[in-house]
Amino acid sequence: GDSVTQMEGPVTLSEEAFLTINCTYTATGYPSLFWYVQYPGEGLQLLLKATKADDKGSNKGFEATYRKETTSFHLEKGSVQVSDSAVYFCALIRGGTASKLTFGTGTRLQVTL
Amino acid sequence: EPEVTQTPSHQVTQMGQEVILRCVPISNHLYFYWYRQILGQKVEFLVSFYNNEISEKSEIFDDQFSVERPDGSNFTLKIRSTKLEDSAMYFCASRGQGAYGNTIYFGEGSWLTVV
Repeated sequence: GDSVTQMEGPVTLSEEAFLTINCTYTATGYPSLFWYVQYPGEGLQLLLKATKADDKGSNKGFEATYRKETTSFHLEKGSVQVSDSAVYFCALIRGGTASKLTFGTGTRLQVTL
Repeated sequence: EPEVTQTPSHQVTQMGQEVILRCVPISNHLYFYWYRQILGQKVEFLVSFYNNEISEKSEIFDDQFSVERPDGSNFTLKIRSTKLEDSAMYFCASRGQGAYGNTIYFGEGSWLTVV
């Protein structure tokens, strides 16, 4: 079945550091890929997405490129802020009616001053 | 921006009691979901719902769980006899169709605490 593997957290960075959170996936066909973010005490917010190979999703300074050859969708940000502290979930969905999102385990990011 | 809304935001219930969690999906969306997240753990799929019937359900979604779309706007999750291990954040989500139909939007969640 479908699966998403994320790097273990927590990831602790100083403000303005470069961020990479690795995500790889296993799925048949051509899934769409997503990053969701969960700030402390809040729900799941869509951060960015990519729907086909070589697409780059971007939002709020975060980027991720859909790499079919390596089945990866790594999340990057050039300069993190304290306000980026949250849990980041990589997820995929295949096409078809009522397809569900499959989530990775989440990676907690802690940014310090 | 349209959003998925959930009520209650937090509910405390005694073990064995019935609980109903309510959701209003985004208007004109056609696919509806419930997920749950036990504190600090992974987001787990429970059930998907389309065209007034369950499309898929996980092993977690046993006979104690049911979903319903009683009218044109609400989507509910019922837990008939709650157990301690049902304590979790429950997320409702919805998805449209067409060009943007592959994106699932989540509500803020309902915290359920079973004591």
